[in-house]
Amino acid sequence: AQKVTQAQTEISVVEKEDVTLDCVYETRDTTYYLFWYKQPPSGELVFLIRRNSFDEQNEISGRYSWNFQKSTSSFNFTITASQVVDSAVYFCALRPEGGGADGLTFGKGTHLIIQP
Amino acid sequence: DAGVTQSPTHLIKTRGQQVTLRCSPKSGHDTVSWYQQALGQGPQFIFQYYEEEERQRGNFPDRFSGHQFPNYSSELNVNALLLGDSALYLCASSTGDSSYNEQFFGPGTRLTVL
Repeated sequence: AQKVTQAQTEISVVEKEDVTLDCVYETRDTTYYLFWYKQPPSGELVFLIRRNSFDEQNEISGRYSWNFQKSTSSFNFTITASQVVDSAVYFCALRPEGGGADGLTFGKGTHLIIQP
Repeated sequence: DAGVTQSPTHLIKTRGQQVTLRCSPKSGHDTVSWYQQALGQGPQFIFQYYEEEERQRGNFPDRFSGHQFPNYSSELNVNALLLGDSALYLCASSTGDSSYNEQFFGPGTRLTVL
């Protein structure tokens, strides 16, 4: 069974501050995929990134960066110079590579509030 | 290019009733997954349909059933509704049944059971 833990229920920062969202996962599978999704108040989950368990390279996309550390089973997400539009609930998710298709296992999410 | 669409947007039912939710996948996608998201929680996987068959199922009772049509659209049916079924129901589409493929989510159907 898989488990994803996002220990931070809510984070509030002032605009332009950097903020890191933590994600820790558990799985017995050797091959798996990790994801981050953003859920704005409208409710629709927006895909941000996918990472293969064999690819531990960190990734940067504009103000977003992700730090994958297999040794600590963590996949943290950092927003640099945060903006009010970044306010949303962010979910970390895990999906194992199986013989068939498996659903995503999500964490409980971190509610990020960016104050102007 | 239309994304994933779901209908209805909101629904109010009473305990014991039955409900059907609908999902049209993103153009070019043939796989549909359904998730239940209770208030303040992350989405939970219900099941996935590919080639009109249920391929994988999460930890949900048989009251939850589904169907996929030849045009890849899908329905989620819930029988004998309970108060605890109140949630946002999300549909996600992707191509094929590979775990690698990105899932695109719809806006969801908000179900309230009274």
